[in-house]
Amino acid sequence: EPEVTQTPSHQVTQMGQEVILRCVPISNHLYFYWYRQILGQKVEFLVSFYNNEISEKSEIFDDQFSVERPDGSNFTLKIRSTKLEDSAMYFCASSADGTNTEAFFGQGTRLTVV
Amino acid sequence: AQSVAQPEDQVNVAEGNPLTVKCTYSVSGNPYLFWYVQYPNRGLQFLLKYITGDNLVKGSYGFEAEFNKSQTSFHLKKPSALVSDSALYFCAVRDSVYGQNFVFGPGTRLSVLP
Repeated sequence: EPEVTQTPSHQVTQMGQEVILRCVPISNHLYFYWYRQILGQKVEFLVSFYNNEISEKSEIFDDQFSVERPDGSNFTLKIRSTKLEDSAMYFCASSADGTNTEAFFGQGTRLTVV
Repeated sequence: AQSVAQPEDQVNVAEGNPLTVKCTYSVSGNPYLFWYVQYPNRGLQFLLKYITGDNLVKGSYGFEAEFNKSQTSFHLKKPSALVSDSALYFCAVRDSVYGQNFVFGPGTRLSVLP
């Protein structure tokens, strides 16, 4: 069964450093997403990406965040200057279309900012 | 804007008893509704969805959900709970008008007691 894969599973970084979280969505999917979850609580939307551009973003997704699909398979989330409050579980997801199909989620990257 | 409410933080049921996890939603257009389950330190797994048609939808692991348009609800049910069903359950909605982004409820922790 196809799946979304994320690397690394756990990333520890110092405050102020840049991190890149990587995702390989399901190959025939067209829509890609990043969500985050703090301490097993609410799943918060960050950004959606379609046709090589951001289609929607939340207020969380400020100038320190960026996304990229550099090579047609990987989908990355960059956090430019990490803060303590960026510590969370980050989930990548993909869906076949933008309306009535479900999203498939990766296993997540646990980001710890120290 | 879309929103999802899950009025119960925690639901406790005895093994073998029926379970219900509640969800209500608000959208501008027609709702596309989803249930996901999250086990500890794992990603979100898709359980079932309602797009159109029969109000009762069946999904994985014996779960089903009933769409009620007048009450704007999409409650998750299972006739006989298992201890292994203990997990965090999230309801999510997509709006047929504004689409794309999945908006998640705050989650309900289900504990099935042996």
